Amino acid sequence: SQTIHQWPATLVQPVGSPLSLECTVEGTSNPNLYWYRQAAGRGLQLLFYSVGIGQISSEVPQNLSASRPQDRQFILSSKKLLLSDSGFYLCAWAGGVRLEQYFGPGTRLTVT
Amino acid sequence: QQQVKQSPQSLIVQKGGISIINCAYENTAFDYFPWYQQFPGKGPALLIAIRPDVSEKKEGRFTISFNKSAKQFSLHIMDSQPGDSATYFCAAVTSGTYKYIFGTGTRLKVLA
Repeated sequence: SQTIHQWPATLVQPVGSPLSLECTVEGTSNPNLYWYRQAAGRGLQLLFYSVGIGQISSEVPQNLSASRPQDRQFILSSKKLLLSDSGFYLCAWAGGVRLEQYFGPGTRLTVT
Repeated sequence: QQQVKQSPQSLIVQKGGISIINCAYENTAFDYFPWYQQFPGKGPALLIAIRPDVSEKKEGRFTISFNKSAKQFSLHIMDSQPGDSATYFCAAVTSGTYKYIFGTGTRLKVLA
């Protein structure tokens, strides 16, 4: 069966510090991968999605970037965090032609 | 045209009652409509989904009703239980586009 992992689970970072969040998927190959951000009590904001290694589409211009160095690995990065980057970051995957999308457990990021 | 409008924003139901959450869309290219359930601090979990070629799909106490002509779909939770208290998101996606358009979410509270 397929499993999606995210780490770390929680993170507290000062303003201006770098960020690296990692997501990996097991049990499938060539998944579509997604990064979402969810502000407290709010909806899901799509940040990036990827349909293959090195193929990244950005939905929201900001100080975040994403990379996909391996087929089942998706990384969200920032060189300098802002207070507004605080939120719940969710990674998700979908299996090619199948449309079901599955979410990871999330990373709670607090920028102080 | 890419939006999915979800209502109500919040809902309080007595135990054993029926919870109804509605979503509406404009883009007729959408061909897959999932519902997600999210508990606090967790990633959303796929609950049930429907394609536009059927008008209703039932899984246990959860039913999706789909009205293609009105471009609306709804989630019905029968015999609502306190354990159903969560935030529910509808979504819509077009095959091949890889992008999921989410509603803004409904916070459901079921009173014991």
